[in-house]
Amino acid sequence: DTGVSQNPRHKITKRGQNVTFRCDPISEHNRLYWYRQTLGQGPEFLTYFQNEAQLEKSRLLSDRFSAERPKGSFSTLEIQRTEQGDSAMYLCASSPLAGGPYNEQFFGPGTRLTVL
Amino acid sequence: KQEVTQIPAALSVPEGENLVLNCSFTDSAIYNLQWFRQDPGKGLTSLLLIQSSQREQTSGRLNASLDKSSGRSTLYIAASQPGDSATYLCAANNAGNMLTFGGGTRLMVKP
Repeated sequence: DTGVSQNPRHKITKRGQNVTFRCDPISEHNRLYWYRQTLGQGPEFLTYFQNEAQLEKSRLLSDRFSAERPKGSFSTLEIQRTEQGDSAMYLCASSPLAGGPYNEQFFGPGTRLTVL
Repeated sequence: KQEVTQIPAALSVPEGENLVLNCSFTDSAIYNLQWFRQDPGKGLTSLLLIQSSQREQTSGRLNASLDKSSGRSTLYIAASQPGDSATYLCAANNAGNMLTFGGGTRLMVKP
């Protein structure tokens, strides 16, 4: 296992379309995080899973956003009715459960979304 | 609510210079603080993780320090090289489940 992987790496869509991104964490990492990064800014937390349970959601995650991790392995992030303001880099990270909150988070390469 | 600030926002130095990047945070009740490197259009590469009980961490030419009482961390880069050119981000972990990032320092090292 070489690290966190994300697909697709780039997505261009028209406003109003739905898009779905996938994240595969490092094997045996129970914790999975989604962040969003707009141009020139630091990443902002969106949501967090421990195994298949979504334990925390940011206020940034509007009703158009939904994230799942059905089997506690990979995760998907879906954005419905995309808006131009959704254009950003979507980053996924994972960390092991052992050690709890003291663990390092490892990030994937991100999915860059452009909404036209 | 945790707020993280990085100063300066951009920095340009000649090759070989030693430099310091600054990170400040408002809530000192952190579990740890991470420094990341980000190349243009890429994801984040973790550089150093400092636990709340530690004062500093070193990796090669990089040294990160943490002063919880003053809400500050610094990343020291020795003998900078053009390959060090990137954006450096610090992130505080004080909720256990999320990182709060600063806006980053964009570093350019000129040959």
